[in-house]
Amino acid sequence: SAVISQKPSRDICQRGTSLTIQCQVDSQVTMMFWYRQQPGQSLTLIATANQGSEATYESGFVIDKFPISRPNLTFSTLTVSNMSPEDSSIYLCSVVGKTNEQFFGPGTRLTVL
Amino acid sequence: DAKTTQPTSMDCAEGRAANLPCNHSTISGNEYVYWYRQIHSQGPQYIIHGLKNNETNEMASLIITEDRKSSTLILPHATLRDTAVYYCIVPFQGTYKYIFGTGTRLKVLA
Repeated sequence: SAVISQKPSRDICQRGTSLTIQCQVDSQVTMMFWYRQQPGQSLTLIATANQGSEATYESGFVIDKFPISRPNLTFSTLTVSNMSPEDSSIYLCSVVGKTNEQFFGPGTRLTVL
Repeated sequence: DAKTTQPTSMDCAEGRAANLPCNHSTISGNEYVYWYRQIHSQGPQYIIHGLKNNETNEMASLIITEDRKSSTLILPHATLRDTAVYYCIVPFQGTYKYIFGTGTRLKVLA
């Protein structure tokens, strides 16, 4: 299984600012995903981030709000831009394993005031 | 929308088997069923997956019906640490994209 770390683990931010979340994997992986989990809700897929190509966003999510970088096979960042209280969520990254299961990071808990 | 439906919540006595059902009536012939659990807002943890045959690993067993329209995750001897939200997921064919439903909130009772 892949070991995934995320930074920061949590943060409290002011409205209108931006936060960049890092996702680091202990092995090279092609496919990486970013999810959001709003309070009391299930996970929602934000985008697919494959190395060497632009991220693919799901309906309701746009690049201007959630820009993603994928500079190599072990690392990705998700930025939450121009934040509002509605962006308060847990943000998680995941990678696809050898038998197509997904391994998830521990999440970044974001609170926007 | 998620391709699976699960009961919202279940209780299980500690030490007893927990049987968590999942319906996936629109599953296609080569789509797998994956199970995960999420303990108190941690990242979801992979449990098991299967296609047609029943599967067992150190965490759980997965029973898939012959028509593949439903499955059951079995935790043979539930402990308090198994209290979590359990998700049954069928990725869209040809993709690795997960659409999470509401899952089943399992509470293991002492």
